[in-house]
Amino acid sequence: QKEVEQNSGPLSVPEGAIASLNCTYSDRGSQSFFWYRQYSGKSPELIMSIYSNGDKEDGRFTAQLNKASQYVSLLIRDSQPSDSATYLCAVNGDDYKLSFGAGTTVTVRA
Amino acid sequence: GAVVSQHPSWVICKSGTSVKIECRSLDFQATTMFWYRQFPKQSLMLMATSNEGSKATYEQGVEKDKFLINHASLTLSTLTVTSAHPEDSSFYICSATRAGATYEQYFGPGTRLTVT
Repeated sequence: QKEVEQNSGPLSVPEGAIASLNCTYSDRGSQSFFWYRQYSGKSPELIMSIYSNGDKEDGRFTAQLNKASQYVSLLIRDSQPSDSATYLCAVNGDDYKLSFGAGTTVTVRA
Repeated sequence: GAVVSQHPSWVICKSGTSVKIECRSLDFQATTMFWYRQFPKQSLMLMATSNEGSKATYEQGVEKDKFLINHASLTLSTLTVTSAHPEDSSFYICSATRAGATYEQYFGPGTRLTVT
């Protein structure tokens, strides 16, 4: 299975600040990259997908991809307490499988 | 769009019995469905991949005779945990992909299994 590594947490940010999450992957042939949000006791929810180099913005979320560096990141602007969750980075592998990172837990302090 | 449901959301069973978990794609046809298991404070562990009408492909270390997967249609996959034991207690989550977005996986809400 392809390796996906995320910056170790937990990450604590004050409300209104930017939370920055990082992810690196080992398979240079990967083409599809995803960020999932998982609240405690719930299943993962897809929040961002990115396929080409550069930035992709969706509301307060921005995903950044750099294939040359094998690096993908997620920025959460104006962080809210409701953003407190574990964020999983996922990268496509073989047979439509996804390789998941271990996750970074984010806590937004009110 | 891309809603996946699971039933039941939680189940308690006695050791030695079998439990069936259903996974349905409600508003799309799922080209592939996946079954995951997640233990507390750990990441997702892929158990198997299934396509409609064909046998599931199990990950290394997952007992196919214990975790029976049936993918009867493009909208329904079932996971049966046979002869369940307390160590099978876990959070079981299915996901599905749809045509045209084959790497995006949409997750069901999960089923929490407790074996007593």
